[in-house]
Amino acid sequence: SAVISQKPSRDICQRGTSLTIQCQVDSQVTMMFWYRQQPGQSLTLIATANQGSEATYESGFVIDKFPISRPNLTFSTLTVSNMSPEDSSIYLCSVPRTGTSGNTIYFGEGSWLTVV
Amino acid sequence: KNEVEQSPQNLTAQEGEFITINCSYSVGISALHWLQQHPGGGIVSLFMLSSGKKKHGRLIATINIQEKHSSLHITASHPRDSAVYICAVGSGGGADGLTFGKGTHLIIQP
Repeated sequence: SAVISQKPSRDICQRGTSLTIQCQVDSQVTMMFWYRQQPGQSLTLIATANQGSEATYESGFVIDKFPISRPNLTFSTLTVSNMSPEDSSIYLCSVPRTGTSGNTIYFGEGSWLTVV
Repeated sequence: KNEVEQSPQNLTAQEGEFITINCSYSVGISALHWLQQHPGGGIVSLFMLSSGKKKHGRLIATINIQEKHSSLHITASHPRDSAVYICAVGSGGGADGLTFGKGTHLIIQP
């Protein structure tokens, strides 16, 4: 099974600052996904991070606000820039995986950010 | 864009009861996932379905592709089953991100 280590798990951030979230996967994966879950809401895809190319952002999300790096096949970072209270959310990374029992999807533990 | 609807939004039941959570979606998909999210935020994949039915322990998941509907059943429910259950669909064969329902908040009382 894939193991994703995500950090920080939780942080309180000052308005106007930026924070970088890291995800480390225990094996090489082609695609990594970044999601946001605002309080009481469903998860929403922010972007798809592919190694060796620019991340692909969903409608409503832009690179200046959520820059993503994918330097290799096991690691990715998401930065939340110039934070405001509306950015208070759980941020999760995710990878799909094909195994002996079929396809599944793995999530990091989540990064719970509170912007004050 | 796919619309994913789950019902009920909240469910409280007594230990031992049979639980059913429903999910419907609007556009054809390549796979449907049932996920479990605990209060700390971590998410665990329970099932991935593209057709038919899967069973794991006390959990059963079914999908009807024609009706664009899936159900998650929990037999002999237990307080440790208390969590948020989320339905998510993908349409790109794993190459696209998922679209999520809002989740069903399940509480099993002893």
